[in-house]
Amino acid sequence: KNEVEQSPQNLTAQEGEFITINCSYSVGISALHWLQQHPGGGIVSLFMLSSGKKKHGRLIATINIQEKHSSLHITASHPRDSAVYICGLARAGGGADGLTFGKGTHLIIQP
Amino acid sequence: NAGVMQNPRHLVRRRGQEARLRCSPMKGHSHVYWYRQLPEEGLKFMVYLQKENIIDESGMPKERFSAEFPKEGPSILRIQQVVRGDSAAYFCASSPYAGGNGNTIYFGEGSWLTVV
Repeated sequence: KNEVEQSPQNLTAQEGEFITINCSYSVGISALHWLQQHPGGGIVSLFMLSSGKKKHGRLIATINIQEKHSSLHITASHPRDSAVYICGLARAGGGADGLTFGKGTHLIIQP
Repeated sequence: NAGVMQNPRHLVRRRGQEARLRCSPMKGHSHVYWYRQLPEEGLKFMVYLQKENIIDESGMPKERFSAEFPKEGPSILRIQQVVRGDSAAYFCASSPYAGGNGNTIYFGEGSWLTVV
């Protein structure tokens, strides 16, 4: 079983829809990262969470440490939001390891 | 403040050649991570370095792959005698403190290696 599971794997929605991408994990963490990767492009770090909720523009990220679950929401989605969204874990205990990532959610927003 | 700089962005190598990928971290960042993204797969951790030290190379293949982060200059990921299976995107990330644990990590734009 993967330590990080994202759902859905693929999501196609219409412009303007409210989008939710989920990330569940099975290990103790000190932080969770949400990343965005455009086709053929680099990676942008969207959020780093250790508790609660963060908001940046139309993006909202929440985390429930007890339930080992995080969600990324996009309000008023737009075609430029089309990208792969990746959840990454930083393990608890201050280990030197890099992040462990989910396989990503491929989001397509149609005009 | 320039971001994480990777070069080359695209590299084509014939089987058996060497590939060198460079990463200059953000100014003031002394922690560097290399990740590999194979086609249709997720990002996988390869190696974590601080200046002049390899801290964790548990994700790096034992043969043909090496990484360094010298006192001066960029971090370099070196792949010797490349094979087709090495074709992937290689991402570098940097952070000011020990990685990912409560600190934002900044990613470079990646280096796409194609082995022909």
